[in-house]
Amino acid sequence: KQEVTQIPAALSVPEGENLVLNCSFTDSAIYNLQWFRQDPGKGLTSLLLIQSSQREQTSGRLNASLDKSSGRSTLYIAASQPGDSATYLCAVATDSWGKLQFGAGTQVVVTP
Amino acid sequence: GAVVSQHPSRVICKSGTSVKIECRSLDFQATTMFWYRQFPKQSLMLMATSNEGSKATYEQGVEKDKFLINHASLTLSTLTVTSAHPEDSSFYICSARPETAPSSYNEQFFGPGTRLTVL
Repeated sequence: KQEVTQIPAALSVPEGENLVLNCSFTDSAIYNLQWFRQDPGKGLTSLLLIQSSQREQTSGRLNASLDKSSGRSTLYIAASQPGDSATYLCAVATDSWGKLQFGAGTQVVVTP
Repeated sequence: GAVVSQHPSRVICKSGTSVKIECRSLDFQATTMFWYRQFPKQSLMLMATSNEGSKATYEQGVEKDKFLINHASLTLSTLTVTSAHPEDSSFYICSARPETAPSSYNEQFFGPGTRLTVL
């Protein structure tokens, strides 16, 4: 059974620092990996999707890498801002229909 | 584009009543929709996969007679929590996969969630 782990569970950084969020998964047979942002009491906002054949994706200040063989993905957020404060979730697609297995998330606080 | 709505956003009901939650894809058609629940401070847990025109597929441990799913059209799926009890109180989130998305791409778009509180 696929298990997704996110470390750390919580992270607090001063504004301007770079953020590094880690995600690991136990079964390398994934279709893709997605990073999401969730604000308190809200739904999910998709940040980046990496196909199983890709090694990284970039969007603005965000960069996500994927190493399938080692079962790891890392989300980098450059020059963090207070508006980046949220919970970040990673999820792997475990079948062709898109069924997602989520990690528990990393709660990020960026202090001004 | 790719907006998914949920209604209601928040509902409070008495124990024993049934509650229906709607999930709509507003600007695309979705053959497949997913229903998740999220307890406080925890991650999303997949409850079921909803396919238009066929029966939903439930994850292990999810009671299909308690959580009724109907995917009647390519833009609407409903989740009915029957005879709700306080332990059913949770945040329910749906997602929809565009019909035109290649099977290898699998991008999903999530609704804003529905907060259910059962008294």
